[in-house]
Amino acid sequence: EVQLVESGGGLVQPGRSLRLSCAASGFTFDDYAMHWVRQAPGKGLEWVSGISWNSGSIGYADSVKGRFTISRDNAKNSLYLQMNSLRAEDTALYYCAKAKLTTVTTFFDYWGQGTLVTVSS
Amino acid sequence: DIVMTQSPDSLAVSLGERATINCKSSQSVLYSSNNKNYLAWYQQKPGQPPKLLIYWASTRESGVPDRFSGSGSGTDFTLTISSLQAEDVAVYYCQQYYSTPLLTFGPGTKVDIK
Repeated sequence: EVQLVESGGGLVQPGRSLRLSCAASGFTFDDYAMHWVRQAPGKGLEWVSGISWNSGSIGYADSVKGRFTISRDNAKNSLYLQMNSLRAEDTALYYCAKAKLTTVTTFFDYWGQGTLVTVSS
Repeated sequence: DIVMTQSPDSLAVSLGERATINCKSSQSVLYSSNNKNYLAWYQQKPGQPPKLLIYWASTRESGVPDRFSGSGSGTDFTLTISSLQAEDVAVYYCQQYYSTPLLTFGPGTKVDIK
């Protein structure tokens, strides 16, 4: 059974940093691209970032480019999102999502339950 | 960036009736080399993560009931629920995966029971 478990969310002040993690199990992690998708309270889905199986291809939404860094550790079956210079508009539930395809340009067949990030003073 | 729009914003349908959701992309998501439309549909129920329903615009994900179907090509797509069930109350999102590496979702369509 595929499982994606996010962690690392919490309350943080504007301008500070936070690192999210996603622990994956139940599939061959290094066969697939992985992504972060967020959802602000009461709002729709926003793709944040994605990384290919070998970290050779990475993409970011314009809203986070230059502030967020995605990475993965295939030996640990883990995905990460380093979030710097956080803003109030980054407040959201952050989902870890597994790509259905091997490429970064993909759709998502499994999602975690999400970890909530709240940026507020 | 490819911008996705959906219509209507919400709809209410009687149990057993048909529900139709439209999705439009600002540019074609049909890849000519393989003749595939890079368009997926998701269902999100309250308090739950999204669930994949349809990909390649019309391929149903394993385990998804056959009352869900996707159609369309190029820039215009439709998700149809042929006979609405109570458990289908949710928000439905389309997503394009044509644009590398910028993926975008539609704003969502809320489906309720009339």
